[in-house]
Amino acid sequence: KAGVTQTPRYLIKTRGQQVTLSCSPISGHRSVSWYQQTPGQGLQFLFEYFSETQRNKGNFPGRFSGRQFSNSRSEMNVSTLELGDSALYLCASSRDRADYGYTFGSGTRLTVV
Amino acid sequence: KNEVEQSPQNLTAQEGEFITINCSYSVGISALHWLQQHPGGGIVSLFMLSSGKKKHGRLIATINIQEKHSSLHITASHPRDSAVYICAYATGTASKLTFGTGTRLQVTL
Repeated sequence: KAGVTQTPRYLIKTRGQQVTLSCSPISGHRSVSWYQQTPGQGLQFLFEYFSETQRNKGNFPGRFSGRQFSNSRSEMNVSTLELGDSALYLCASSRDRADYGYTFGSGTRLTVV
Repeated sequence: KNEVEQSPQNLTAQEGEFITINCSYSVGISALHWLQQHPGGGIVSLFMLSSGKKKHGRLIATINIQEKHSSLHITASHPRDSAVYICAYATGTASKLTFGTGTRLQVTL
């Protein structure tokens, strides 16, 4: 069965630009969560979507947003990029809740210059 | 103070050694996850625990809910076990994970 697919794998953007990252979950998984990983802060929860609705949100500024489509695919968007947004962005899918277990994608490595 | 404390931060072992990584947390949780991250970034979910003990191959995970503590054991370690091991918890029915800072394991021949 196909895993969680994140696109693109690598991305270089300039400060002030915006970026959209994509995550396709495992078939049948309706929950998609997004995480940011940086050397300084480690892994941090961004937000979670379930059945096209944001169900949980972490402590990130409004420049970070996301959405989920009817086929459970999810996108996250970062507007007005800052150097500090350079990170590995990971998504994970789950059937429903955290206690059903997660499958992670390989991540998108974003570099802001 | 991080809500999830892992120890040790770094660990070097020789092939064949028994390895233990510890994770302590401070809140009531619904599930604890052990994750493995190799260089390049991809994360693999190893275990999800809400009580007791789970075993998969050479990996064993235990959790003591009363003491708010979990351990990940690797028996007969191998160089391919070299990775960062991360524990993370979820609370209630929320899907938000809170992560530890990770333990970097290197297994040498």
